[in-house]
Amino acid sequence: DVVMTQSPLSLPVTLGQPASISCRSSQSLVYRNGNTYLNWFHQRPGQSPRRLIYEVSNRDSGVPDRFSGSGSGTDFTLRISRVEAEDVGVFYCMQGTKWPYTFGQGTKLEIK
Amino acid sequence: QVQLVQSGAEVKNPGTSVKVSCKASGYTFANYGISWFRQAPGQGLEWMGWINTKNGDTEFAQRVKGRFIMTTDLSTNTVYMELRSLASDDTAVYHCVRDWGAVTVIADHWGQGTPVTVSS
Repeated sequence: DVVMTQSPLSLPVTLGQPASISCRSSQSLVYRNGNTYLNWFHQRPGQSPRRLIYEVSNRDSGVPDRFSGSGSGTDFTLRISRVEAEDVGVFYCMQGTKWPYTFGQGTKLEIK
Repeated sequence: QVQLVQSGAEVKNPGTSVKVSCKASGYTFANYGISWFRQAPGQGLEWMGWINTKNGDTEFAQRVKGRFIMTTDLSTNTVYMELRSLASDDTAVYHCVRDWGAVTVIADHWGQGTPVTVSS
């Protein structure tokens, strides 16, 4: 299985400041069609996860442009340009390139 | 709009089975697959399996293979999952999620989740 490793696991951030989460995979996530199926999800307490970013860097509909994704191969990053109160929760990276889908451990963002 | 509506919470005894439904609306059902994920209390997310709603092809996580069944009903746009031989570590919230099929999309819309508690 592809192992996904996120860091940090805990992320205290001051409102309005930037934040960054790293996600590394144990194998390349480039699929045979050339696409890279690396997604980012956000889960607020008590809610279902919501997909924010698909295929490394594409924002889902309705996702604020302060969220951005980047990376390639085995190394990926989610950036929040200015953290807002609604960003509290857990962020997960997930690879959808190879069965079984696998997730990072999750990064818990809290407001300082 | 895309919606996945799951059946309600379940409490089961160890060794029994649970069946959860997931009714889809707002899109062409047969063009997408459905994956099932679960999340144990206080834990991360785990993918369990995927079904192609058009032809019934499936993929399973090794951990549940052999006791996890997925079926689809094209007449009602509903997918069912059944997990057998329940144990306490199957206690989790189970989510159905729209996933790839004829259209290549990965986990873009999630159901509200169905809590399953396994306890004697």
